[in-house]
This record gives sequence, structure tokens and C-alpha cells, in this order.
Amino acid sequence: KNEVEQSPQNLTAQEGEFITINCSYSVGISALHWLQQHPGGGIVSLFMLSSGKKKHGRLIATINIQEKHSSLHITASHPRDSAVYICAGNSNYQLIWGAGTKLIIKP
Amino acid sequence: EAQVTQNPRYLITVTGKKLTVTCSQNMNHEYMSWYRQDPGLGLRQIYYSMNVEVTDKGDVPEGYKVSRKEKRNFPLILESPSPNQTSLYFCASTGYSTDTQYFGPGTRLTVL
Repeated sequence: KNEVEQSPQNLTAQEGEFITINCSYSVGISALHWLQQHPGGGIVSLFMLSSGKKKHGRLIATINIQEKHSSLHITASHPRDSAVYICAGNSNYQLIWGAGTKLIIKP
Repeated sequence: EAQVTQNPRYLITVTGKKLTVTCSQNMNHEYMSWYRQDPGLGLRQIYYSMNVEVTDKGDVPEGYKVSRKEKRNFPLILESPSPNQTSLYFCASTGYSTDTQYFGPGTRLTVL
């Protein structure tokens, strides 16, 4: 069993839909990262959470420390949101990676 | 502009020919790391460095070496590359005073 698990692995949705990607972890972490990887390969850090909720534009990330669960939400999804979204737990400056969720938003 | 740079971006080489992938950051970050990304396996950490002259093995260190002589640079060395090291490599950095991980653009390596 992976220490950081994401679901779903793949998600295809229509433009405008509300998107939720889930991340559960079984190890002790000090924070959880959400990252975005575009088809070109580059990785961008979206959020780092240690508690509660953060919002940036149409992206919202939440974390429940007691349940060891985090979610990434995208409101009013757009084709340019198509990417792989990865969650990673931060443990002593090392990242424990989820496998990623491949999101495709169709126009 | 805050950034992590990697060179080369693409490299095709042959088995056994030593190579170095450079990584440099301009944010005075203490912590740097190398990852490889393979289909179906996600990102796996190769080596990391907590500061100058401090390096340690990650999850998949075999076949790789690193050095951290200066704070800004963290090169990845493949002394004798093999085809199973064909992968996409990322360098990343973060600092004790920041929450964000910064990633380089990636180096796509093919070993024939």
C-alpha cells in the first residue's frame, strides 16, 4: 500500500464542471503539497497546506489532519486545466509522492 | 526571477559514458533534491542535500552520485549510465524560510 494515495487516477470532464481530486496519506507529515505537471513536463507548486483551506483563483485545497485526507478542487474548469495533479506529503523536507491524477477537460 | 535551472534539457547518450546533469538555484535555498519520473512509478527521490557538503540517499540512489560544494549548485552524476536510467529527471529546491518547492524544467535522458 502506497503511503500517499490519490484518486481518481484519471478524470475526464466537460468544461465548466466542478472537479475534485482526493489524496489520502498514511504517514506522519508536516504539510501536504499539491503540484501540477503539464504535458510539457514542467512541475509547478500549487499549494502547501498544513491545516485548513487555501484558495488561489479557481483552485481550492483543503486538508483534514485527523482524517489524513486532502482534496484539490477546481471550479469552472477549463481545458487549460488539463494536466497531471500530484499530491506529496512533506516529511523532514522530503516529499512522499502520490501517483498523480491525469485530468482532461474537454471543451 | 526565482528559478531552478537544469542542463541539459535533453540528452541521448550511450551505455557507460559518464555524464553530469547540472542544477542551479538562485534563491539561496538550503535544501535541494533530485527526482526521477518514470511511467507508472511517479516521482522517486534519488538524492537530497540539506545544505553545503551535506548529502544523503533518497529512495533510488544506485548508479548516481551528487555533490554540494556550493549552496546554489547540486549536480547529478552518472558515472556509468545504463539503459534503466533512461528517465525524466527533476531537480528541486526549497528553503527553511519558505513553504514552496521549486522545480527545474526537467532533463529527459535516454541511455542507449
